[in-house]
Amino acid sequence: GQSLEQPSEVTAVEGAIVQINCTYQTSGFYGLSWYQQHDGGAPTFLSYNALDGLEETGRFSSFLSRSDSYGYLLLQELQMKDSASYFCAERTGANNLFFGTGTRLTVIP
Amino acid sequence: GAVVSQHPSRVICKSGTSVKIECRSLDFQATTMFWYRQFPKKSLMLMATSNEGSKATYEQGVEKDKFLINHASLTLSTLTVTSAHPEDSSFYICSARSDSNQPQHFGDGTRLSIL
Repeated sequence: GQSLEQPSEVTAVEGAIVQINCTYQTSGFYGLSWYQQHDGGAPTFLSYNALDGLEETGRFSSFLSRSDSYGYLLLQELQMKDSASYFCAERTGANNLFFGTGTRLTVIP
Repeated sequence: GAVVSQHPSRVICKSGTSVKIECRSLDFQATTMFWYRQFPKKSLMLMATSNEGSKATYEQGVEKDKFLINHASLTLSTLTVTSAHPEDSSFYICSARSDSNQPQHFGDGTRLSIL
């Protein structure tokens, strides 16, 4: 079966850098996506890694290591509005999404 | 672009009622739509995948007679929770994509509360 594990909670200070890890055990892995979800809202797409390495999109970067079955989302220059839940999600062969356990990020002043 | 609208955003109803949730793609044709369920502070769990004009594919453990899915057009899919009970209370989210090479676009979700 598929399993994507994330830390349940992370707290960081405004302006700092935070890394949210995702380890996975899946079959038929095609790539790893990251989504942000504010309470009661829709998940919004942040980043996608199909290949090993770092993808940078503004303040957000995502990293993937297929050999280690591991990825992370890096958020820089944290802002209060970044407080939300963050999910890694595996892209399957059918281009469906299987979501990780989720990490609740709290940014404090 | 790529907007998905979900309606209603919130519904409260009595136990035993059937509730219909609509998911519409506003500016693209969605060949595939997905329905997820999310409990508080938990992850999104895929319930079913529907392709326009064909029967939905349900994930293991999801009762197809309980959660009726209709994807009658390229812009509309509906999820009907039949004879809802308090344990069906949850946040239901749909997503849609135009083809298998495109990303999923999510609706804003429906918070269902069964009294």
